[in-house]
Amino acid sequence: RKEVEQDPGPFNVPEGATVAFNCTYSNSASQSFFWYRQDCRKEPKLLMSVYSSGNEDGRFTAQLNRASQYISLLIRDSKLSDSATYLCVVSPSGTYKYIFGTGTRLKVLA
Amino acid sequence: DTGVSQDPRHKITKRGQNVTFRCDPISEHNRLYWYRQTLGQGPEFLTYFQNEAQLEKSRLLSDRFSAERPKGSFSTLEIQRTEQGDSAMYLCASSLALEFQPQHFGDGTRLSIL
Repeated sequence: RKEVEQDPGPFNVPEGATVAFNCTYSNSASQSFFWYRQDCRKEPKLLMSVYSSGNEDGRFTAQLNRASQYISLLIRDSKLSDSATYLCVVSPSGTYKYIFGTGTRLKVLA
Repeated sequence: DTGVSQDPRHKITKRGQNVTFRCDPISEHNRLYWYRQTLGQGPEFLTYFQNEAQLEKSRLLSDRFSAERPKGSFSTLEIQRTEQGDSAMYLCASSLALEFQPQHFGDGTRLSIL
């Protein structure tokens, strides 16, 4: 079983739609959680950290469920510019390395 | 631009050659990380440094790979006797040495082995 699992997609959604991605992780001792965005052939860029209480940044909401070991990302009112790959990242306790999921591809259609 | 800088952006070489990549982190960041990414996959951890100390290495980092950060600032990643399977994007990231600090990535070096 992979340490971090994501549905690779692609998710094709119309502009203005709400879309949600889930990511599961296997190490219950994981400590830090992030969502990164990666455009084609570019580097990953931090979208948001994920806090235990859940957090929101504009149209983006991230949630963490430690009991079920998953994190989620909700994007409201999708824009064409949201088209990208969204990488789920987990950092286990006792290390500072990142463990990435394979990424979920999102395509927002006009 | 004060972000993470990597050089070169692209490297094409023949199988069996040695290659070296350089990473300059964000200046106040103590931690520096190397990852490798192949098509359709997320980045995979290779190694990381805190200042000049190499604190963790992945099993992916075979004995043909070596990384250094001699003065705790820039880092180099060398691959000796390159193989076809080494073709990938090599990403460098840096962060502050504080808990929960996010990593910031450079543009990457794309390696193609002929």
